[in-house]
Amino acid sequence: GDSVTQMEGPVTLSEEAFLTINCTYTATGYPSLFWYVQYPGEGLQLLLKATKADDKGSNKGFEATYRKETTSFHLEKGSVQVSDSAVYFCALRGGSNYKLTFGKGTLLTVNP
Amino acid sequence: DTAVSQTPKYLVTQMGNDKSIKCEQNLGHDTMYWYKQDSKKFLKIMFSYNNKELIINETVPNRFSPKSPDKAHLNLHINSLELGDSAVYFCASSQGAEGYTFGSGTRLTVV
Repeated sequence: GDSVTQMEGPVTLSEEAFLTINCTYTATGYPSLFWYVQYPGEGLQLLLKATKADDKGSNKGFEATYRKETTSFHLEKGSVQVSDSAVYFCALRGGSNYKLTFGKGTLLTVNP
Repeated sequence: DTAVSQTPKYLVTQMGNDKSIKCEQNLGHDTMYWYKQDSKKFLKIMFSYNNKELIINETVPNRFSPKSPDKAHLNLHINSLELGDSAVYFCASSQGAEGYTFGSGTRLTVV
């Protein structure tokens, strides 16, 4: 079945540092890929998405590129802020199934 | 004008009780979901309805029963609550191949 593996946290960075959170997936067919963010005490918010190979999703300075050859969708940001502290989830949605399969989440803490 | 709203936000109840969580979306989406998030933040799908029809029913105890009176509402009823049911329950909705829109969650604590 479909699965998502993302790097284990927690990740702790200083403000303005470069961020990478790795995400790889296993799926049949051609899934759509997503990154969601969950701030403390809140629900999940869609951060960015990509629906086909080589697509780049971007939002709020975050980027991720759909790499079919490496089955990856790594999240990057050039300069993190304290306000980026949250849990980040990589997810995929495969084929005709509406189900969104999530990775285990990565806790990011950004210190001033 | 909240897109996906869940009630209640917090629910504390004793073992053995029956409780319900309500979810409503005003986005016009056809599909709604219930997810459970455990203490380690792991998210697992429980149920999904598309236009009031059950399309996903994961391995969930029979004590959990979803009900969708119309495509804008998906409620979750839980019978005979157990300590292990303590978690945050998220409702979500989607349209076609787009990403989900999540509610803010219901934190259920069983004591």
